[in-house]
Amino acid sequence: GNSVTQMEGPVTLSEEAFLTINCTYTATGYPSLFWYVQYPGEGLQLLLKATKADDKGSNKGFEATYRKETTSFHLEKGSVQVSDSAVYFCALSDTGNTPLVFGKGTRLSVIA
Amino acid sequence: GAVVSQHPSWVICKSGTSVKIECRSLDFQATTMFWYRQFPKQSLMLMATSNEGSKATYEQGVEKDKFLINHASLTLSTLTVTSAHPEDSSFYICSASGANRAHGYTFGSGTRLTVV
Repeated sequence: GNSVTQMEGPVTLSEEAFLTINCTYTATGYPSLFWYVQYPGEGLQLLLKATKADDKGSNKGFEATYRKETTSFHLEKGSVQVSDSAVYFCALSDTGNTPLVFGKGTRLSVIA
Repeated sequence: GAVVSQHPSWVICKSGTSVKIECRSLDFQATTMFWYRQFPKQSLMLMATSNEGSKATYEQGVEKDKFLINHASLTLSTLTVTSAHPEDSSFYICSASGANRAHGYTFGSGTRLTVV
């Protein structure tokens, strides 16, 4: 079945540091890939997505490129801020009406 | 963009009582609704999938008589935790998907349930 593996946290960075959170997936066919962010006590917010190979999703300084050859969708940001502290989930879906398959989440803490 | 409103955001109830959680899609038709449960510092665990007008499909290990899901309209789905016990305390999140693929999956803000 489909699965998502993302790097274990927690990740602690200083403000303005470079961020990479690794995500790899296993899927049949050509899934859509997502990154969601969850702030404390809240639901999930879509951060970015990519629907086909070589697509790059970007939002709020975050980027991720759909790499079919390496089955990866790593999240990057060049300069993190304290406000980026949250839990980040990588996810995939086959279609719009099947449940998202989530990674375990990576907690990011950014310190001033 | 697509918005899903989830209520209540938190609730405390006594053991043995039932609690209803609502999710409403405000600006699109939610043909499919997913209900998740999240334990502290863990990922989301899918509980069930419901399509409007149909019975929900529950994941293995989820008691359908305990977690009643209703998706009677394209804008409203409810999860009722019946005869709640302390072990049901958790964070419950809904996610809606519509016919318009551009909307993708939209999540509610979650409900923190504490059973005392």
